Amino acid sequence: QSVLTQPPSVSGAPGQRVTISCTGSSSNIGAGYDVHWYQQLPGTAPKLLIYGNSNRPSGVPDRFSGSKSGTSASLAISGLQAEDEADYYCQSYDSSLSVWVFGGGTKLTVL
Amino acid sequence: QVQLQQWGAGLLKPSETLSLTCAVYGGSFSGYYWSWIRQPPGKGLEWIGEINHSGSTNYNPSLKSRVTISVDTSKNQFSLKLSSVTAADTAVYYCAREAGYTYYYYYMDVWGKGTTVTVSS
Repeated sequence: QSVLTQPPSVSGAPGQRVTISCTGSSSNIGAGYDVHWYQQLPGTAPKLLIYGNSNRPSGVPDRFSGSKSGTSASLAISGLQAEDEADYYCQSYDSSLSVWVFGGGTKLTVL
Repeated sequence: QVQLQQWGAGLLKPSETLSLTCAVYGGSFSGYYWSWIRQPPGKGLEWIGEINHSGSTNYNPSLKSRVTISVDTSKNQFSLKLSSVTAADTAVYYCAREAGYTYYYYYMDVWGKGTTVTVSS
């Protein structure tokens, strides 16, 4: 099982807002390490979506936002579009394991 | 614009050694850590290990006994070797650049396209 826990799937209608949670522990998110988010479109490599908990790389629409509190983080996507249908992964550092850790991934379906 | 181009053998037999190389184009090679990450079919991402331009490495403890990551700074390339592969090592393998203001807060900002590796007898 993944060190960071994400819901396997979420869905929403076009135009709606969805959130994806990422729950960790005191050795990763709770220890203060940043959470980063990636979007993986079908058949492609992951793409950096959010870094440092809430920062968007150049070119990422402001419909995507991230936040972190305690041992959890969240990715919010507003104004859902069909092109947002993808897998989303959170990532952080775990000091107990001394590794970069990923969540198990969440499949977003746009209804 | 930094680009990562990766290559290597795509079909292996059990007990063989997986070998992949990733070349860095269009940007600085030094000053960064470079990672290997894999994704089994239908599953999530697993970090394998990393190396910097000086050759300093860190490995996932779950794979450490079988993994070697090396660097060739003259060619701006880094490589992955995974020994004694089994069917469980079947995955898409990605190389990626780590970035961020300090270690422990790094993220993977540039990714290769991935190489599908299948282990089958």
